[in-house]
Amino acid sequence: AQRVTQPEKLLSVFKGAPVELKCNYSYSGSPELFWYVQYSRQRLQLLLRHISRESIKGFTADLNKGETSFHLKKPFAQEEDSAMYYCALSVQGGSEKLVFGKGMKLTVNP
Amino acid sequence: EAEVAQSPRYKITEKSQAVAFWCDPISGHATLYWYRQILGQGPELLVQFQDESVVDDSQLPKDRFSAERLKGVDSTLKIQPAELGDSAMYLCASSRGRTQYFGPGTRLLVL
Repeated sequence: AQRVTQPEKLLSVFKGAPVELKCNYSYSGSPELFWYVQYSRQRLQLLLRHISRESIKGFTADLNKGETSFHLKKPFAQEEDSAMYYCALSVQGGSEKLVFGKGMKLTVNP
Repeated sequence: EAEVAQSPRYKITEKSQAVAFWCDPISGHATLYWYRQILGQGPELLVQFQDESVVDDSQLPKDRFSAERLKGVDSTLKIQPAELGDSAMYLCASSRGRTQYFGPGTRLLVL
């Protein structure tokens, strides 16, 4: 069965500190991984996807198939990064539905 | 910029009553999804449409939930009768490629 695990529910850091939001997945097929973000009072939106291999708002994420991980990283956190972050796995085979982790709340303190 | 629209934004109902949620996807998006998000959890897919056809409804509790997308554009999700455990955020999303765009959600409270 497909599963996404975000082991930590909360992370609180000070502005300028590095952040790493952990994500592990379980999937027998070829995975496609995403990070979605939800800022306060806003809708869920795509932050980045592993296929794009790009940096969005200073965040990067590398797919590690050996460790089945897709951790989100940013070297210097900003206050505006405070939000809920969800890791998601796209399941192949016609449906292409997203399987989400439980989410993690990041708080960046001034 | 086009966005997914949902209504109502909030709904309070009593158990055993019927409720309905509406979603208008981004124009041109053939794929539409309904997710349920229980407090403290990530969204879980209830049903997926490709145009007017259901692609995946394996997690939809079909004894009480129904969904339709008659003209392949907007969609309605219905619960009848509502139960206390249905209290959650109901999210609609649409996509044309691999990226899903989410609506603001409908927060349902069943008393």
